[in-house]
Amino acid sequence: QKEVEQNSGPLSVPEGAIASLNCTYSDRGSQSFFWYRQYSGKSPELIMSIYSNGDKEDGRFTAQLNKASQYVSLLIRDSQPSDSATYLCAVNRYSGAGSYQLTFGKGTKLSVIP
Amino acid sequence: DADVTQTPRNRITKTGKRIMLECSQTKGHDRMYWYRQDPGLGLRLIYYSFDVKDINKGEISDGYSVSRQAQAKFSLSLESAIPNQTALYFCATSPVAGSDNEQFFGPGTRLTVL
Repeated sequence: QKEVEQNSGPLSVPEGAIASLNCTYSDRGSQSFFWYRQYSGKSPELIMSIYSNGDKEDGRFTAQLNKASQYVSLLIRDSQPSDSATYLCAVNRYSGAGSYQLTFGKGTKLSVIP
Repeated sequence: DADVTQTPRNRITKTGKRIMLECSQTKGHDRMYWYRQDPGLGLRLIYYSFDVKDINKGEISDGYSVSRQAQAKFSLSLESAIPNQTALYFCATSPVAGSDNEQFFGPGTRLTVL
């Protein structure tokens, strides 16, 4: 089983709609969860972090975490063409000897259609 | 602005050549990382360093070496480059220890090995 799984997409949504991006992870001991946005040819940019069950909202973005189901999602409200990018889910897991490592999913490509 | 910079941004080299990629940061973070990104494979960790005296192998360290010259500088070397090391390479930094591990990425180096 892959450690962090995302649907590769592409996910196409019309402008103004809600885009829903999903991620599952395998390590139940994971404590921290992140969403990165990556435009083509550019570096990943951290857009959301979430540490406890429930929802966390920041502007048009809402991150949702359900540790029992090992599931984290990102909702983008009022989607804009500028939101078109690949979204990477990252999970921080304990790797032993007091150390943690960030494991990335392969990303979901989002396309917002004007 | 505090930042993460990488040099060079693009490099074309030949099989068997030694090449060094450099990363510098003004964020004041102790932790630094090197990743490579390949289409369909996502981001994979090569090496990481928690401070100047600490170097750790990541998921795919074979064929690579690193040097942490100072808190702000972390270099990645390919001793004898091969074509399957053609990829996009990212340096990242993290401010905290433990389970948070928010990471911030440099702009990337596109490396082509002919």
